[in-house]
Amino acid sequence: QQQVKQSPQSLIVQKGGISIINCAYENTAFDYFPWYQQFPGKGPALLIAIRPDVSEKKEGRFTISFNKSAKQFSLHIMDSQPGDSATYFCAASSSGSARQLTFGSGTQLTVLP
Amino acid sequence: DAGITQSPRHKVTETGTPVTLRCHQTENHRYMYWYRQDPGHGLRLIHYSYGVKDTDKGEVSDGYSVSRSKTEDFLLTLESATSSQTSVYFCAISESTHYEQYFGPGTRLTVT
Repeated sequence: QQQVKQSPQSLIVQKGGISIINCAYENTAFDYFPWYQQFPGKGPALLIAIRPDVSEKKEGRFTISFNKSAKQFSLHIMDSQPGDSATYFCAASSSGSARQLTFGSGTQLTVLP
Repeated sequence: DAGITQSPRHKVTETGTPVTLRCHQTENHRYMYWYRQDPGHGLRLIHYSYGVKDTDKGEVSDGYSVSRSKTEDFLLTLESATSSQTSVYFCAISESTHYEQYFGPGTRLTVT
């Protein structure tokens, strides 16, 4: 079974700190790695995504680091803010099977004021 | 929510009853997906559609069926609901396999 393993399950950081969430995958056919942000009662919203031809992608305070050889990728949130408190999901997909997303189990991030 | 609506938003039903959830999009996207979200499991794909009348199974398709008679609507049916199908169900759409998936607001289903 294709899996994406995500850690930690929960994370508490102080305002202004760096939040780091890690994911590891097994299927070498995966070629698209998005991160989703979800607030309570809402659907997941695409935050940032990366393809394996680059090792890092940055959008504002959010950065994805990608290590193809280790089959790992991570989300870094710089200068974390209380408004970033949400659940974050990593995911992966391959070009076959209509780009089905395989999700990690989620990380509940709490940013303390 | 990228022009995606789901109905109903909340439903409580009894074991053994049929249930149909509806996903409606106004984006004219080709691909539509149904996921379920459960604590500790993230989101798992139930079924997906790659065009009108074209559907396929996902990771957790047992006990579910789908239909897509129009581009804008994708229906998920639980023929005989069980307590294990208590979950939050999300619909997603995508313009093509080269583009991102966008999620609807979800339907919370409770089977008693």
